[in-house]
Amino acid sequence: DGGITQSPKYLFRKEGQNVTLSCEQNLNHDAMYWYRQDPGQGLRLIYYSQIVNDFQKGDIAEGYSVSREKKESFPLTVTSAQKNPTAFYLCASSMGGLLYNEQFFGPGTRLTVL
Amino acid sequence: GESVGLHLPTLSVQEGDNSIINCAYSNSASDYFIWYKQESGKGPQFIIDIRSNMDKRQGQRVTVLLNKTVKHLSLQIAATQPGDSAVYFCAENPHTGNQFYFGTGTSLTVIP
Repeated sequence: DGGITQSPKYLFRKEGQNVTLSCEQNLNHDAMYWYRQDPGQGLRLIYYSQIVNDFQKGDIAEGYSVSREKKESFPLTVTSAQKNPTAFYLCASSMGGLLYNEQFFGPGTRLTVL
Repeated sequence: GESVGLHLPTLSVQEGDNSIINCAYSNSASDYFIWYKQESGKGPQFIIDIRSNMDKRQGQRVTVLLNKTVKHLSLQIAATQPGDSAVYFCAENPHTGNQFYFGTGTSLTVIP
């Protein structure tokens, strides 16, 4: 099946620990995105990548880091510097470029800091 | 519609009735819009999109209307079914870095 997978579905972390969320897509999409979703708020962009080995900060990049070593993978690390990391994290991908391309979303990872 | 804070706008409809969900977007330069459906604990699903050179677009049981003058988008769902219960939100793309900006969403509940 083609699509975007995220793992794990649920993740628990102790304060002060870094944790990495996985995002993989087999849609051959160039662009990938990470969003954070909090209750009652719209999706907020953390990082995005238009092409392999390149990525840009979104609106709320502080306390997060990413890498894009392969086209199909865009892992997100939530570092101990992120003050309020408990949230639902969504990964998305699109064909990229300046065309009218929809974003496809993964199932999400719910991160809880204990 | 749009909302800031912890509580989403809510809409309750009887099964079989039509639903209308509204969205006010912020950037007059936005030229591409998408409606997404998100069920609890899941990722958003694409419903329908529209470009700014159109006023209306229809899909299966759904219609999107775009009013660029007042920067307003609406989603109409015909013959609403229990499976339509979810949060619906709009996304706008001003084509700056291919980023989308998302509304907070409206929670739709279908009453059997």
